[in-house]
Amino acid sequence: DAGITQSPRHKVTETGTPVTLRCHQTENHRYMYWYRQDPGHGLRLIHYSYGVKDTDKGEVSDGYSVSRSKTEDFLLTLESATSSQTSVYFCAISEYGGGNYGYTFGSGTRLTVV
Amino acid sequence: KNEVEQSPQNLTAQEGEFITINCSYSVGISALHWLQQHPGGGIVSLFMLSSGKKKHGRLIATINIQEKHSSLHITASHPRDSAVYICAVERGSATNKLIFGTGTLLAVQP
Repeated sequence: DAGITQSPRHKVTETGTPVTLRCHQTENHRYMYWYRQDPGHGLRLIHYSYGVKDTDKGEVSDGYSVSRSKTEDFLLTLESATSSQTSVYFCAISEYGGGNYGYTFGSGTRLTVV
Repeated sequence: KNEVEQSPQNLTAQEGEFITINCSYSVGISALHWLQQHPGGGIVSLFMLSSGKKKHGRLIATINIQEKHSSLHITASHPRDSAVYICAVERGSATNKLIFGTGTLLAVQP
């Protein structure tokens, strides 16, 4: 979807290195989310943001941090990458909280930690 | 037990068949979403439901709030429908977070 872009699309990194994934939106949506997708699991929420500088943890936030200094950008940082963080990461945006509004997903970032 | 359960996990159909994928949930929700993911691809939103039924082309989604159950139907299936179909629910909190099922892998054979 042209309104949301994730970068990079693929990355291989070494254990112990920091990694930052970027989600950029052009829709001016308030809510942004980072999910990870692993075999046998549904998408799981890592962190989310409900406005500039307003972020909160999801269900699998250990080892991850986020920042949102502008409406359009939501960064996910793996502070010291581990093999268990090998996954596909999806960013999503939503216009309003409280339900009944659609989501748009990015194309995903495939991260391999070796 | 997962809060969102999908069945079947895997489904193989012949081209032209009518397909049904089911989603049951155990929590109160404000909306339910059906999503599609092609192999190696991104995730596309198909439907968002809070009641009743929606139709888009050959796809139909229904929801029964009292029974906490939703179905996604595909009529006249085609090989290009082969994908993972994911059910997700919104709890209705101010943060608008989704809870996902593990998906149904559909393969439509010509």
